Amino acid sequence: DTGVSQNPRHKITKRGQNVTFRCDPISEHNRLYWYRQTLGQGPEFLTYFQNEAQLEKSRLLSDRFSAERPKGSFSTLEIQRTEQGDSAMYLCASSDLYREQETQYFGPGTRLLVL
Amino acid sequence: RKEVEQDPGPFNVPEGATVAFNCTYSNSASQSFFWYRQDCRKEPKLLMSVYSSGNEDGRFTAQLNRASQYISLLIRDSKLSDSATYLCVNSGSARQLTFGSGTQLTVLP
Repeated sequence: DTGVSQNPRHKITKRGQNVTFRCDPISEHNRLYWYRQTLGQGPEFLTYFQNEAQLEKSRLLSDRFSAERPKGSFSTLEIQRTEQGDSAMYLCASSDLYREQETQYFGPGTRLLVL
Repeated sequence: RKEVEQDPGPFNVPEGATVAFNCTYSNSASQSFFWYRQDCRKEPKLLMSVYSSGNEDGRFTAQLNRASQYISLLIRDSKLSDSATYLCVNSGSARQLTFGSGTQLTVLP
């Protein structure tokens, strides 16, 4: 399977715990995006990387959230001291900026429930 | 006000019907426009890009009116498999996608 993969697919945690999600983009895709989607809403942009550089962060990304892409391949998104409001689907997407039409391909998401 | 506004529906239509979705966006600097499709509890998938000249892909036709900041999607001869949420999307120079809340379509047998 050469698509975007995300792990874990589901995570249940207690409020105050830290969680980390992983995204493996399509091989050789240089851009990687994180989005969050809550029920009944479209995905909302959180942050994106071009290779290993984090180029933009949304104001939605509070200081409890941190994302990395250390070698320009996979990425991790960590949420510290989780709150119930963090419950959402966390989606990762990747794209190739050198393609004429830079389509973002989404992974299956990690569904987080904070109790 | 949301950057991308869509009628949430739901739209319930019989098989074979023609259905149209509309969307407005507020950021006049938006450069690219798309319709994504999202099945229940799945990830969004690109349905088609939207160009000012209008574009068609089989039963699907998308239109963009930059002056009115308005995007549309027309589905002809709808199939049961078209049942999904349709997301209106735009992006600017920064490339991140801005999604509407989606319009839910159910095609009935």
